[in-house]
Amino acid sequence: GNSVTQMEGPVTLSEEAFLTINCTYTATGYPSLFWYVQYPGEGLQLLLKATKADDKGSNKGFEATYRKETTSFHLEKGSVQVSDSAVYFCASRDSSYKLIFGSGTRLLVRP
Amino acid sequence: EAQVTQNPRYLITVTGKKLTVTCSQNMNHEYMSWYRQDPGLGLRQIYYSMNVEVTDKGDVPEGYKVSRKEKRNFPLILESPSPNQTSLYFCASSLTRDGKNYGYTFGSGTRLTVV
Repeated sequence: GNSVTQMEGPVTLSEEAFLTINCTYTATGYPSLFWYVQYPGEGLQLLLKATKADDKGSNKGFEATYRKETTSFHLEKGSVQVSDSAVYFCASRDSSYKLIFGSGTRLLVRP
Repeated sequence: EAQVTQNPRYLITVTGKKLTVTCSQNMNHEYMSWYRQDPGLGLRQIYYSMNVEVTDKGDVPEGYKVSRKEKRNFPLILESPSPNQTSLYFCASSLTRDGKNYGYTFGSGTRLTVV
């Protein structure tokens, strides 16, 4: 079946460092891909999405590009802030509308 | 404000005592779903509903029931909770139209502990 694999955390960075969180997927066909963010004590919020190959999703300085060749959707940000500390989930959506999540990556940004 | 509302936010219960977690959305969404979140496993779908009176199992449905009598409500029922159902639960809803799905809105979560 479809699945999503993302790098294990925690990822600890200093403020203004460059962030990459890796995400790869397996799927039949071409799913839509998402990054969700979960701040402490809160639900999941959609961060960005891409619906077809080569699409780039972006929001709040975060970016991810849908790479069909490598079945990847890595999350990047050029300069992280303390307020970016959260858990990040990569997800794919199949034809039944179900979201399939990776295991989550905790990001901790130190001042 | 468009939102998905879950209650309660926190619940501690004992093994075998039936409980219901409520979920309500005010966006007239057709699709609703329940997930559980466990460390190292991400979120896994328990049940989903494509519309009123239409429900189906997700990946981990054992020990849970749902109902969809009204479009806005999608309660999760644990008839006989066990400690392995201790988890963080999320309800989500989504607009679907012409065979397309337009993104999920998640509730704030219910942290359930079964002792």
